[in-house]
Amino acid sequence: QVQLQESGPGLVKPSETLSLTCTVSGGSISSYFWSWIRQPPGKGLEWIGFINYSGSTNYNPSLKSRVTISVDTSKNQFSLKLSSVIPGDTALYYCARGIKFGVVDYFDYWGQGILVTVSS
Amino acid sequence: SSELTQDPAVSVALGQTVRITCQGDSLRSYYASWYQQKPGQAPVLVIYDKSNRPSGIPDRFSGSSSGNTASLTITGAQAEDEADYYCNSRDRDSSGNHLNVFGTGTKVSVL
Repeated sequence: QVQLQESGPGLVKPSETLSLTCTVSGGSISSYFWSWIRQPPGKGLEWIGFINYSGSTNYNPSLKSRVTISVDTSKNQFSLKLSSVIPGDTALYYCARGIKFGVVDYFDYWGQGILVTVSS
Repeated sequence: SSELTQDPAVSVALGQTVRITCQGDSLRSYYASWYQQKPGQAPVLVIYDKSNRPSGIPDRFSGSSSGNTASLTITGAQAEDEADYYCNSRDRDSSGNHLNVFGTGTKVSVL
């Protein structure tokens, strides 16, 4: 059974960089697409971006200038960095495994989420 | 990139049928997936590849699509189906890169 677990600081100061890691167990990271998705308190889901096992990335245009997603296949982990954070970046951050084929995309496994608060 | 629009809230009587819709230009080119999210929990995939159910998802959940609209139908809604539901699909940016977009979400109440 594939499991994903987010880790990182729960509190980040404004203008600093948010850094999170997702550890994948029960399966290899050397396949599939690996995404970060966030959810502000009481609001809907927002796709942040994805990386594949070879390191190719795509990002949400609204966040692209501040986002970096990387992968470490040796540790079965992928990571998110969001720079110059503001209070509006406060959210529950999820990592998820993505599958793409043909005209189909979906996320079949999700982490439990980690709440990151941006505050001084 | 486009948006996916859902009705904010719908209600259904116990045992009855409810349809949740998702509208957006990306759905003319790509299939939708659907996620159920209960309070305090991570989203769970309930429909993928337009109408397929993952293992463990009851067959009262079904999906369909026509034009720019995807639908999730719950036939014989149960109390445990009360949750937020989100659609999702691929999209492309102005450079042709693959993106991903979530719908605005629908809160389903089972009465």
